[in-house]
Amino acid sequence: AQSVTQLGSHVSVSEGALVLLRCNYSSSVPPYLFWYVQYPNQGLQLLLKYTSAATLVKGINGFEAELKKSETSFHLTKPSAHMSDAAEYFCAVRNTGGFKTIFGAGTRLFVKA
Amino acid sequence: EAGVTQFPSHSVIEKGQTVTLRCDPISGHDNLYWYRRVMGKEIKFLLHFVKESKQDESGMPNNRFLAERTGGTYSTLKVQPAELEDSGVYFCASSQRGAANEKLFFGSGTQLSVL
Repeated sequence: AQSVTQLGSHVSVSEGALVLLRCNYSSSVPPYLFWYVQYPNQGLQLLLKYTSAATLVKGINGFEAELKKSETSFHLTKPSAHMSDAAEYFCAVRNTGGFKTIFGAGTRLFVKA
Repeated sequence: EAGVTQFPSHSVIEKGQTVTLRCDPISGHDNLYWYRRVMGKEIKFLLHFVKESKQDESGMPNNRFLAERTGGTYSTLKVQPAELEDSGVYFCASSQRGAANEKLFFGSGTQLSVL
């Protein structure tokens, strides 16, 4: 069965530092891949998605993710963290033709002033 | 345009009681999903409606959970009787076409605490 692993339940960075949130998926054939963000007291919102076009995907708020098939990874990065990036981030996959989205356990990002 | 709305935002009940959660998807979205997140763990799929029909209910934990979507609009998820392990955040999401590459629109969730 498809699975998603997010390394690190908590990540803390200083404002202005690089953000790197890790995600690995289990399938050898890249399905559709997503990063969602949840701000406090809100629902999950889509940050970006990979849908078999370019392997480097740009999303909202300066985030991007790169699909590396050899590593089955889809890590999320942002060059410079902002205080407003503090939230919980979820990596998710969906197989071609499937309706079920499989989520990772989430990574909570803390941004220090 | 209104987003996905869930009610209530919080519910605290005792073991053995019944609770009904409601989800109003975005208007025009035929696809409605229920997910659950138990404390600190992954968000797990419960079931998927296309209009009023259950497309996939493979994630429903047991027969104490009943989901309905009468008329293909809002959906309810009833837990009867509730057990301690049912505690968690229940999310509802909707999408228009149900395509695999389509993003989901989420509600802010219902935090259910069973004491």
